[in-house]
Amino acid sequence: NAGVTQTPKFQVLKTGQSMTLQCAQDMNHEYMSWYRQDPGMGLRLIHYSVGAGITDQGEVPNGYNVSRSTTEDFPLRLLSAAPSQTSVYFCASSRADSGANVLTFGAGSRLTVL
Amino acid sequence: GQQVMQIPQYQHVQEGEDFTTYCNSSTTLSNIQWYKQRPGGHPVFLIQLVKSGEVKKQKRLTFQFGEAKKNSSLHITATQTTDVGTYFCAGPRGGADGLTFGKGTHLIIQP
Repeated sequence: NAGVTQTPKFQVLKTGQSMTLQCAQDMNHEYMSWYRQDPGMGLRLIHYSVGAGITDQGEVPNGYNVSRSTTEDFPLRLLSAAPSQTSVYFCASSRADSGANVLTFGAGSRLTVL
Repeated sequence: GQQVMQIPQYQHVQEGEDFTTYCNSSTTLSNIQWYKQRPGGHPVFLIQLVKSGEVKKQKRLTFQFGEAKKNSSLHITATQTTDVGTYFCAGPRGGADGLTFGKGTHLIIQP
């Protein structure tokens, strides 16, 4: 089992560019989520999904889109990148019967927006 | 909205000393989780506490959940260099799925 796989590990964008951060898990977890981590701010929930075809907003959803067409994949799209979106992004998954609380995190994607 | 606060933000200890981090929620929690993140790494799940007053141990780590289920602590006995990292507590978001994380306590160990 690879667990939760995120790509790319590093990305540099210019303001206004768009991109997609990929996340895939092979544990058949129902629940998937995206967090961003900024210095001194902890981890903040961007979007989450409780199953294929179902997504919902977290604490800081503005500027991001998600979709969940399969159980395995949960990509995060930045529509028009802004310097405020410079951050480390973590994808996480969980079994639904854990209450979506026992999260397995990916290794992270470090994004810099110039 | 729900807030989860952690103190201290940073803790410097000499190797072999004990370490404690505290977590407080503005609302009663159904459960609380603790995660550890090594420098440059990703958060890793440590434990989940569910019952009021619960105490769980993992080797040198002791986790407690308060009687009112609004606070929790993590205590490490006789720290080692492998304990370096940031420790986060997290609780369920009120009225929605997902977790609210505290800002973490950075543990720095001086040999």
